[in-house]
Amino acid sequence: QSALTQPASVSGSPGQSITISCTGTSSDVGRYNLVSWYQQRPGIVPKLMIYEDTKRPSGVSNRFSASKSANTASLTISGLQAEDEADYYCCSYAGLSTYVFGTGTKVTVL
Amino acid sequence: EVVLLESGGGLVQPGGSLRLSCAASGFTFSNFAMTWVRQAPGKGLEWVSPISASGMSTYYADSVKGRFTVSRDNSNNMLYLQMNSLRAEDTAVYYCARGGEYGSGSYQYYFDYWGPGTLVTVSS
Repeated sequence: QSALTQPASVSGSPGQSITISCTGTSSDVGRYNLVSWYQQRPGIVPKLMIYEDTKRPSGVSNRFSASKSANTASLTISGLQAEDEADYYCCSYAGLSTYVFGTGTKVTVL
Repeated sequence: EVVLLESGGGLVQPGGSLRLSCAASGFTFSNFAMTWVRQAPGKGLEWVSPISASGMSTYYADSVKGRFTVSRDNSNNMLYLQMNSLRAEDTAVYYCARGGEYGSGSYQYYFDYWGPGTLVTVSS
């Protein structure tokens, strides 16, 4: 099971919007509406930001949104803030109770 | 408040064994699936093993299949990961997370709470 492909890094200035892509295959991202996204700040436990492709848990800022097209899922952060600087990981259900995480993207706020 | 706290990590020689524990509180443990996820130093997250709420269903990543065993004690709100035949590449922080399999009446295909992790180092 190969890791989902994410860009190694994405950067933006405060207030800007950035998008992180997550590319899988027709066996995972493209087959199930079950992509989730996690934020991991340095030294902090991963935090669920998006689940089931586009749903946002209560308490997560509405500046975070997600979408999916075919085998690629995307996370968009609008109105970028310094506190958004972190590593972001996508994760997809891959069938038979297995999951695959993305390679991770480091978001830098310039 | 949901709290997950892992323990049992440490330094172990290649070929050795270790048992990780995860103590859960703040929710009805027996209603939720649990999953182990690991992260090698400086690397990304890797899914390891989920267990259903009842404990009847377990699954493993190919990288640990046949060497790791996940189990749970619902009466004491504990999750375990027995790790045998450890290799250098198993060196990682191991997180327990809520979700990832069948819970009370439904599947939860995401991990909504995570513990702080416990570090396992496999080295001679």
